[in-house]
Amino acid sequence: GQQVMQIPQYQHVQEGEDFTTYCNSSTTLSNIQWYKQRPGGHPVFLIQLVKSGEVKKQKRLTFQFGEAKKNSSLHITATQTTDVGTYFCAVTPKTSYDKVIFGPGTSLSVIP
Amino acid sequence: SAVISQKPSRDICQRGTSLTIQCQVDSQVTMMFWYRQQPGQSLTLIATANQGSEATYESGFVIDKFPISRPNLTFSTLTVSNLSPEDSSIYLCSVDRPPGGQETQYFGPGTRLLVL
Repeated sequence: GQQVMQIPQYQHVQEGEDFTTYCNSSTTLSNIQWYKQRPGGHPVFLIQLVKSGEVKKQKRLTFQFGEAKKNSSLHITATQTTDVGTYFCAVTPKTSYDKVIFGPGTSLSVIP
Repeated sequence: SAVISQKPSRDICQRGTSLTIQCQVDSQVTMMFWYRQQPGQSLTLIATANQGSEATYESGFVIDKFPISRPNLTFSTLTVSNLSPEDSSIYLCSVDRPPGGQETQYFGPGTRLLVL
């Protein structure tokens, strides 16, 4: 069945350092989404990537979809304490267009 | 954007009882989803609820344990039956592609359940 992996599981960075989390799927994807969940909160949608090799930016966040549409990355430049939270990738397999499967998440801590 | 509310926001229940969670959306949506998020874990899809048809359950989840209702396009309930401490989790409803929304999935605030 569909497997979604994210690395690293945890990341502690000094404020101002960069941060990257990677998401890998066992199968080819229709699209991939990224969510952020603050401690005690619910997941909030960040972005969706659909095209092979797609790169999207949101201020300090850069999202990339792999050429084979099986992996993705989220990069944060110059982290701030407001970036603290767990970042989940969520995938829609090509064989199941109405289902979204979440990765295990990467928990980011930012040391001021 | 869609506004989703859930009731109750949290509850403490005794083993063997049941809890029904309500999810209300401020716009009509075709698909509603129920997720479980165990402490420190990711989200696991329980089932997909479509109006007018039976819910579709994911592997490991059964209707007897997690009965779902979807009486109209803005409302759904999830019941967690015969509670055990292992059911202590956050339960979240979400909706897919709300009308006029740019995002693809919105989540409700969640229901935090503790089973003693």
